[in-house]
Amino acid sequence: GQQLNQSPQSMFIQEGEDVSMNCTSSSIFNTWLWYKQDPGEGPVLLIALYKAGELTSNGRLTAQFGITRKDSFLNISASIPSDVGIYFCAGRWNSGNTPLVFGKGTRLSVIA
Amino acid sequence: GAVVSQHPSWVICKSGTSVKIECRSLDFQATTMFWYRQFPKQSLMLMATSNEGSKATYEQGVEKDKFLINHASLTLSTLTVTSAHPEDSSFYICSIQAFYGYTFGSGTRLTVV
Repeated sequence: GQQLNQSPQSMFIQEGEDVSMNCTSSSIFNTWLWYKQDPGEGPVLLIALYKAGELTSNGRLTAQFGITRKDSFLNISASIPSDVGIYFCAGRWNSGNTPLVFGKGTRLSVIA
Repeated sequence: GAVVSQHPSWVICKSGTSVKIECRSLDFQATTMFWYRQFPKQSLMLMATSNEGSKATYEQGVEKDKFLINHASLTLSTLTVTSAHPEDSSFYICSIQAFYGYTFGSGTRLTVV
């Protein structure tokens, strides 16, 4: 199936540092979502974006829906140990009951 | 958001046997549910879209006779892995699309020995 290009694949950062990751697609999407997955668990929604240019925050997390509708980024500020996990971008290109397409994930490790 | 319950959380089965995984939408009537498979250190890959009262739609490369999907009610979809083999060992996750977005089950770790 189709996938999004997500980078970086993995990151090792010091506690307190900011983190940035992004996703790009060759197709225009009308919805971008960012999820976090802990080991052995399903993905949990962090931020949902529905409009081009939209910038949304959820605590220390900020995400933007790119103007071209082909990209999105997620920033995490002042990282803490519990931020460790795998972050996935996901998107869909139309409305209705359509499944999400996922990026390959960014594995984040935080060093205390 | 919507609550999705997936059962079992993990299962170990012998090669050649069948395993059923349940996905329940606890507070939302889901006409559509999605089944994903995730191999270690990889992303979620859509297997099929489960439609209440009708046949599931399978993604290319997913054998419909091997991965049987039944969506008999608005709150329950089941995925049966028939004649399981070690290469079917994976993490299986279901998802629904509620009014406010997509919610995922907690996943089922299948190990075929």
